[in-house]
Amino acid sequence: AQKITQTQPGMFVQEKEAVTLDCTYDTSDPSYGLFWYKQPSSGEMIFLIYQGSYDQQNATEGRYSLNFQKARKSANLVISASQLGDSAMYFCAMREGTGANSKLTFGKGITLSVRP
Amino acid sequence: DAGVIQSPRHEVTEMGQEVTLRCKPISGHDYLFWYRQTMMRGLELLIYFNNNVPIDDSGMPEDRFSAKMPNASFSTLKIQPSEPRDSAVYFCASSFNSAQYFGPGTRLLVL
Repeated sequence: AQKITQTQPGMFVQEKEAVTLDCTYDTSDPSYGLFWYKQPSSGEMIFLIYQGSYDQQNATEGRYSLNFQKARKSANLVISASQLGDSAMYFCAMREGTGANSKLTFGKGITLSVRP
Repeated sequence: DAGVIQSPRHEVTEMGQEVTLRCKPISGHDYLFWYRQTMMRGLELLIYFNNNVPIDDSGMPEDRFSAKMPNASFSTLKIQPSEPRDSAVYFCASSFNSAQYFGPGTRLLVL
């Protein structure tokens, strides 16, 4: 089974609207972390947001928030007030275990296009 | 603060040549990772180090690939001999107990 699943082939959103990018994960480890990265067309990988498995509240970082539903094993990224610069590929990733095991497993990514 | 630095940014070489990719992690980070990204396979972890010691190299595709981290501020990924199927973007990333921060990547083309 895939550890990180991102099934949306591509997403479109109108500028200034909110958009949700889906991510489901699979792990039997009670301690894990979930990450979202943005990869614009220029190619760099930009860290956006992190959610720990024991965090009680959903993570937020500016216009980014993570809708963490532990029982459903989902960690969807919500981008509010979309901007043209948000057009990019978005990757969900998971780290299993504690910091001693810092290996990340990435999903295949979702392409987001923001329309003016 | 400087982020992760990688060189070269682009490399074009011929099959059979040796390729060396370089990485300088963020100062103070104790983990360093090498990834490869292709359209077909996505992002793959090749190897990672903790405090300069290789921890997991199970992602290294074959013996043609080798990586070293002689000190906390420098790592290399070497491919010898290179093959066309090695063409990809190679990322280096570093972390300290949390998120991994990526370098700009090296775009490698093997002809």
